[in-house]
Amino acid sequence: GQQVMQIPQYQHVQEGEDFTTYCNSSTTLSNIQWYKQRPGGHPVFLIQLVKSGEVKKQKRLTFQFGEAKKNSSLHITATQTTDVGTYFCAGPLQNDMRFGAGTRLTVKP
Amino acid sequence: GAGVSQSPSNKVTEKGKDVELRCDPISGHTALYWYRQSLGQGLEFLIYFQGNSAPDKSGLPSDRFSAERTGGSVSTLTIQRTQQEDSAVYLCASSLGASGSYNEQFFGPGTRLTVL
Repeated sequence: GQQVMQIPQYQHVQEGEDFTTYCNSSTTLSNIQWYKQRPGGHPVFLIQLVKSGEVKKQKRLTFQFGEAKKNSSLHITATQTTDVGTYFCAGPLQNDMRFGAGTRLTVKP
Repeated sequence: GAGVSQSPSNKVTEKGKDVELRCDPISGHTALYWYRQSLGQGLEFLIYFQGNSAPDKSGLPSDRFSAERTGGSVSTLTIQRTQQEDSAVYLCASSLGASGSYNEQFFGPGTRLTVL
C-alpha cells in the first residue's frame, strides 16, 4: 500500500558537518510535513510543504519538495549538538497522515 | 494555552491485565491520532478519529486494542490482556483536521507502558 519511505535510518556526523534526510513516496503527495523528536521527547512540527518544487528555510534547515511531489528532503547546514534527534516526514494517506520511519541524527562535538 | 495531555505518564502492569490510556486533545481540534513507539523506533499508526466520522482503525495491531472518543474530545485507548510486546510509549496527537486539508499535529508527552 501507499507508504512514505525515509532514508537513512541513522546518521552520525561530526559537529559542523552537513546532514540530509530523504523522504520518498510511490504516489504523488498533496503535501508533506516534517517533525523533530528530541531524545526522550515527543515529535514537534517543523514545517509543511505544499507546492511542487517548494523550498523553505528555517535558519540552518532547508526543506525541499520535489517537482513531482513524490519526494522531499531536509538538509541541515553545519550541524550543532542541538540538532540531535530523530527527524520524521509525514505524508497523507487517504484521510490521515502517515509517518516515515525517521532518521536518527547524532552529532559528535 | 494548554497542549495535548495524556495520562498516566507511566503505567506498569502485569501480563494479562487490561489498561486504559487517556488523551485530552487541544480544545477545538477535531482530529485525534494514537501512535505507538517502541524504544528507538518510529511512529506506528494505530487509530485516527476525525469529527463524527467513523474512525480509521486500520493500524490497530490486534482485537485486544480498541479506542473511543467521547463527545468529540477526550479519547481512551484500551489494551486488553496485555502482552509484553505491548510495552512501548503510546503517543496521542491532535490537529484542527479540517476536511480536505492536513494540519500540523500536536503531540502529547506520551504514556510509557511497561508490561511485566
